[in-house]
Amino acid sequence: GQSLEQPSEVTAVEGAIVQINCTYQTSGFYGLSWYQQHDGGAPTFLSYNALDGLEETGRFSSFLSRSDSYGYLLLQELQMKDSASYFCAAKSGTYKYIFGTGTRLKVLA
Amino acid sequence: DAGVTQSPTHLIKTRGQQVTLRCSPKSGHDTVSWYQQALGQGPQFIFQYYEEEERQRGNFPDRFSGHQFPNYSSELNVNALLLGDSALYLCASSLGQGAYNEQFFGPGTRLTVL
Repeated sequence: GQSLEQPSEVTAVEGAIVQINCTYQTSGFYGLSWYQQHDGGAPTFLSYNALDGLEETGRFSSFLSRSDSYGYLLLQELQMKDSASYFCAAKSGTYKYIFGTGTRLKVLA
Repeated sequence: DAGVTQSPTHLIKTRGQQVTLRCSPKSGHDTVSWYQQALGQGPQFIFQYYEEEERQRGNFPDRFSGHQFPNYSSELNVNALLLGDSALYLCASSLGQGAYNEQFFGPGTRLTVL
């Protein structure tokens, strides 16, 4: 079957760095996206990696290793507003995204 | 620039009933995907519409059907509702059929089946 595995919960303090890992098993893999979702809100796009390596967007970076079927999201200089759920999503074929189970990030003061 | 809108915000139905959910994509977008998100889970892909046709479908029964209109807006229909259909239904729009990778999600419709 097709699946993406993420840790269920991560806790860190303000100003720290946190890494959220994602391992995937999908057919027709095109790339890996990351989305942030606050409680009661809609998922918002953070990044997309089609090729191996690191993509940096401000405080957030995302990494992909296709050979290891693995990726991660790196959040630097954590802020309270970063407390949310984070989902990796594999692009499986041209049109379809398969989402992971989500990682709930708690940022402590 | 209008974002993705969905209606209604909340809906309560009973088992066996039918429901229609609506989505207007972000201005300039032509592709609409529908997702079901159960509490505490990630969104699950239902199907995607492009040029008024269903282009790909996830693992959902035929009770789930959809439509896309010439103005790119879309409807999701669910027949013979089951208790397990209770979830947040999300619509996501994008530009181009898979050519662009950023999806914009609407606020969702919370469906409760009693």
